[in-house]
Amino acid sequence: GDSVTQMEGPVTLSEEAFLTINCTYTATGYPSLFWYVQYPGEGLQLLLKATKADDKGSNKGFEATYRKETTSFHLEKGSVQVSDSAVYFCALSMSSGSARQLTFGSGTQLTVLP
Amino acid sequence: EAQVTQNPRYLITVTGKKLTVTCSQNMNHEYMSWYRQDPGLGLRQIYYSMNVEVTDKGDVPEGYKVSRKEKRNFPLILESPSPNQTSLYFCASSSGLQQYFGPGTRLTVT
Repeated sequence: GDSVTQMEGPVTLSEEAFLTINCTYTATGYPSLFWYVQYPGEGLQLLLKATKADDKGSNKGFEATYRKETTSFHLEKGSVQVSDSAVYFCALSMSSGSARQLTFGSGTQLTVLP
Repeated sequence: EAQVTQNPRYLITVTGKKLTVTCSQNMNHEYMSWYRQDPGLGLRQIYYSMNVEVTDKGDVPEGYKVSRKEKRNFPLILESPSPNQTSLYFCASSSGLQQYFGPGTRLTVT
């Protein structure tokens, strides 16, 4: 079946450091890909998405590029802030451009220290 | 304000005592879903609903029931809770372009 694999956490960085969280997927077709963020005590919020190969999703300084050849969707940010501390989830959907029927990775806890 | 609400936010109960977690959305979405979040496992889908009176099993439906009598509400029912259902539960609704999540319900079954 379809699956998402994320790098294991927790990840601890100093403020202004560069962030990469790896995400790879296994799917029988061409999924839509998402990054969700969960701040402490809250539900998940959509951070960014990409619906086809070579698309780049971006939001709040975060970026991820849909790489079909490596089946990857790595999350990056050039300079993290303390307020970026959260759990990040990579997810895919096979529902043709839709966000329904999401398959999630296990999540990566990020802590940014001042 | 567009939102998904869940109640209660926290619940401690005993094995076998029936409970219902309510979920409501104000965005007129047709699609709604329930997930459970467990450490190291991410979110796993329990049930989903494509529209009123249309529900289907997700990846981990055992021990749960749902109903969709109205478009805005999608309650999760545990008829006989067991300790392995101790988890953090999220309701979500979707316009198709993204899913909107509720704040979560932390359930402890002793």
